[in-house]
Amino acid sequence: GIQVEQSPPDLILQEGANSTLRCNFSDSVNNLQWFHQNPWGQLINLFYIPSGTKQNGRLSATTVATERYSLLYISSSQTTDSGVYFCAVKPASSTLGRLYFGRGTQLTVWP
Amino acid sequence: EAQVTQNPRYLITVTGKKLTVTCSQNMNHEYMSWYRQDPGLGLRQIYYSMNVEVTDKGDVPEGYKVSRKEKRNFPLILESPSPNQTSLYFCASSFMGMNTEAFFGQGTRLTVV
Repeated sequence: GIQVEQSPPDLILQEGANSTLRCNFSDSVNNLQWFHQNPWGQLINLFYIPSGTKQNGRLSATTVATERYSLLYISSSQTTDSGVYFCAVKPASSTLGRLYFGRGTQLTVWP
Repeated sequence: EAQVTQNPRYLITVTGKKLTVTCSQNMNHEYMSWYRQDPGLGLRQIYYSMNVEVTDKGDVPEGYKVSRKEKRNFPLILESPSPNQTSLYFCASSFMGMNTEAFFGQGTRLTVV
C-alpha cells in the first residue's frame, strides 16, 4: 500500500514561533487531508488539499502533488495548537474512501 | 450542519459483554468506515462499507462486526470484547470516487477490563 511519512515526529516550540510540518507520500493521490488531534482525542479536519495552497487563519497548507509532498505551516504558535498533526491520503488508484495515515507530528507549544 | 456522530464518546466495559458503537452521518455519503487508533500503530481500518448492505474487511477486522441497513448508519459491534480491543475508535464517511473529502466522528474511547 501507499506509504505516508511525516516529519519531524516531535516538535517543541515556544509560543509565537512558526513551524513547518512535512508529509511525503509514495504514490499519486487524489485526496490529502491534514488533521489536528486535540488532547481529548478528537480529529479536527484542518485542510482538504489534494493540490495547491490553502490558508485558514494562522494555518496554511501546500500540496505539490507532482512531487508527492505536502507542507503544513503554523504561524505565531499558541499553546492551543499543541497536539498531534496527521496527514492522510487516498491513492489515486482507488475509488474507495479509505485514507492512509502518517504516524503524525507531536507538537508541544510552551507559554 | 454536516457531521458524523458517534456514540458513546467514552465506554468502560467488561470482557465478554456485547456492545455496539453507533455511527450516523447526515451527508448522504455512500462510503463509511471504522478505524482504531493505538499508540505506536497509528490509525488502522477495521471495516468499511461502500453502500447499503455492502461491507468488507479492512486491515484489522478480527473480533468486530458491522452492518449497513440504512445509508446513514454504520454501527460497530463487538460481540465478545477483549482487553486487546481497548482503543480509540473513529467512524468516517465520504462520497465514493476521486477527490472526495472524508469526515470523521468525534471518536469513542473504549476500555475493556
